[in-house]
Amino acid sequence: GENVEQHPSTLSVQEGDSAVIKCTYSDSASNYFPWYKQELGKRPQLIIDIRSNVGEKKDQRIAVTLNKTAKHFSLHITETQPEDSAVYFCAASSGGGADGLTFGKGTHLIIQP
Amino acid sequence: NAGVTQTPKFQVLKTGQSMTLQCAQDMNHNSMYWYRQDPGMGLRLIYYSASEGTTDKGEVPNGYNVSRLNKREFSLRLESAAPSQTSVYFCASHDRGGSPLHFGNGTRLTVT
Repeated sequence: GENVEQHPSTLSVQEGDSAVIKCTYSDSASNYFPWYKQELGKRPQLIIDIRSNVGEKKDQRIAVTLNKTAKHFSLHITETQPEDSAVYFCAASSGGGADGLTFGKGTHLIIQP
Repeated sequence: NAGVTQTPKFQVLKTGQSMTLQCAQDMNHNSMYWYRQDPGMGLRLIYYSASEGTTDKGEVPNGYNVSRLNKREFSLRLESAAPSQTSVYFCASHDRGGSPLHFGNGTRLTVT
């Protein structure tokens, strides 16, 4: 089955700086890669996703890049703000089946004022 | 439009007790999932139902059973709770593989 590794487990950045979270996956058949943000005590919520036919996708201050050859994808957050503090999860799915998403173990992003 | 609704929000059980976690979605999604979340472990799939009438094991199915009651509802049952099942449980759904998962608000379960 799919295995997703996520790094780092904790990331502390100064407000206004950029943050990068990286994930690798093992199954070359995976073709859908979402990122979820989870605030303390809340449910995970989708913030951005990318499919394997696209190399990069942006939505305001967040972007995701995908390298299919190397089997890794990354989340980039620019101009970080206090409300960006949360746990972020990457995930991968083969898409063709309905066996859900395989998640990384999460990155706790801390924005220092 | 409530999305994915889970009940209860909190539950405390004693070892050996049983309970059923309920989940319902109103988005007409075909596939539904149960995940558990433990500190430092991310979200791990317990069971899933690709469509009404089918269920399959995920990564950590031991100690659990599920029922896809109809297209809307997917329940998770603990027959004999153990302290290792202390966790936060999330139900999720989506229309098909490769589409975003929508999560419920979670059930925080403590087994003493």
